[in-house]
Amino acid sequence: DGGITQSPKYLFRKEGQNVTLSCEQNLNHDAMYWYRQDPGQGLRLIYYSQIVNDFQKGDIAEGYSVSREKKESFPLTVTSAQKNPTAFYLCASSIAGSIMNTEAFFGQGTRLTVV
Amino acid sequence: DQQVKQNSPSLSVQEGRISILNCDYTNSMFDYFLWYKKYPAEGPTFLISISSIKDKNEDGRFTVFLNKSAKHLSLHIVPSQPGDSAVYFCAASAQTGANNLFFGTGTRLTVIP
Repeated sequence: DGGITQSPKYLFRKEGQNVTLSCEQNLNHDAMYWYRQDPGQGLRLIYYSQIVNDFQKGDIAEGYSVSREKKESFPLTVTSAQKNPTAFYLCASSIAGSIMNTEAFFGQGTRLTVV
Repeated sequence: DQQVKQNSPSLSVQEGRISILNCDYTNSMFDYFLWYKKYPAEGPTFLISISSIKDKNEDGRFTVFLNKSAKHLSLHIVPSQPGDSAVYFCAASAQTGANNLFFGTGTRLTVIP
């Protein structure tokens, strides 16, 4: 079955450690996105990538890094520079470079807790 | 600052009745709006959308209304079914910023059998 998979679902890390969240899709989508959700707020865009080996900062990219070495994969690293990393992270993909595409798919999310 | 707001965190409706979920936005550049539905432990899935050139879009039991002057949109579900119980997110974007969706905080709909 085609879809987008995030792992792990829950992640605990100590303060000051970098952590990488996985996002894989087998939908042959060109574009991939990372969003973050905090309590009482909507999803906010961290990074997006429209094509392999290229990515762009979203609204809240500080303290995060990404790579897009393969079309299927768009891992997100939460670095120690991210001041408030505890949040719910959602990955998405779409056919063309537009998240407005109604065929955009979202993963199940990763809940990161930093202690 | 939240550019898309869903002021009702939750809504309960009897099965068979109409559910009305509301969404307000502040950015007048937004010209495309979507509703997503999210079940627990799943990612959001697309439900229905509307372009700013329209004021209504209907798909089966789901209708989205857009009032541009009030910067308000609403999702109507009629008749509501227990399977509609989920969190509904409103999202907005501008054609010029097609790589970013601005999401509301979501409304949890519970349809009571």
